[in-house]
Amino acid sequence: EDQVTQSPEALRLQEGESSSLNCSYTVSGLRGLFWYRQDPGKGPEFLFTLYSAGEEKEKERLKATLTKKESFLHITAPKPEDSATYLCAVWANDYKLSFGAGTTVTVRA
Amino acid sequence: SAVISQKPSRDICQRGTSLTIQCQVDSQVTMMFWYRQQPGQSLTLIATANQGSEATYESGFVIDKFPISRPNLTFSTLTVSNMSPEDSSIYLCSAAVGGVTDTQYFGPGTRLTVL
Repeated sequence: EDQVTQSPEALRLQEGESSSLNCSYTVSGLRGLFWYRQDPGKGPEFLFTLYSAGEEKEKERLKATLTKKESFLHITAPKPEDSATYLCAVWANDYKLSFGAGTTVTVRA
Repeated sequence: SAVISQKPSRDICQRGTSLTIQCQVDSQVTMMFWYRQQPGQSLTLIATANQGSEATYESGFVIDKFPISRPNLTFSTLTVSNMSPEDSSIYLCSAAVGGVTDTQYFGPGTRLTVL
């Protein structure tokens, strides 16, 4: 069975304090890995798709990387508006998304 | 990408009743999905809404409890039937424009509370 584990569960940062979120996965035949951002009371917002080990994607202060066993979401010099829950999801051979439980990031000014 | 709206945004319902949630996409999409997100937990796929045929349900979800319609390429409904407090959750609709291998975009969700 596909498993996606995110750590830490919660992360509290000072504005400007860079950090990384981890998503480790166990799937048969990874087709893709997704990062979404979810604000309270809203649906997940698509951030990145990574398809193969070594791939990197960037968007503003966020950078996602992928290895054969895990993905990292790096937040560089975060601002309070980066506060959200970040969800990782994987695509296996059946192309169904399996989500991790998420990391809730709080950035204090 | 796709812009997705859901109605209602939230509702409070009595035990034993049913609620139908609507999902509207701003363009024709190949795939539509329904998810549940229980308090403090991540998303769980309920079913894939197939246009012109029965929905495909995931393990643990059945058609009698969660009937789904998809009359065209931009619209789908999910009904939560004979509700109990355990059905209190956020229900999310998603769509993939280009097919099963395309990125899924999500609606804002429907927050359901069952008393």
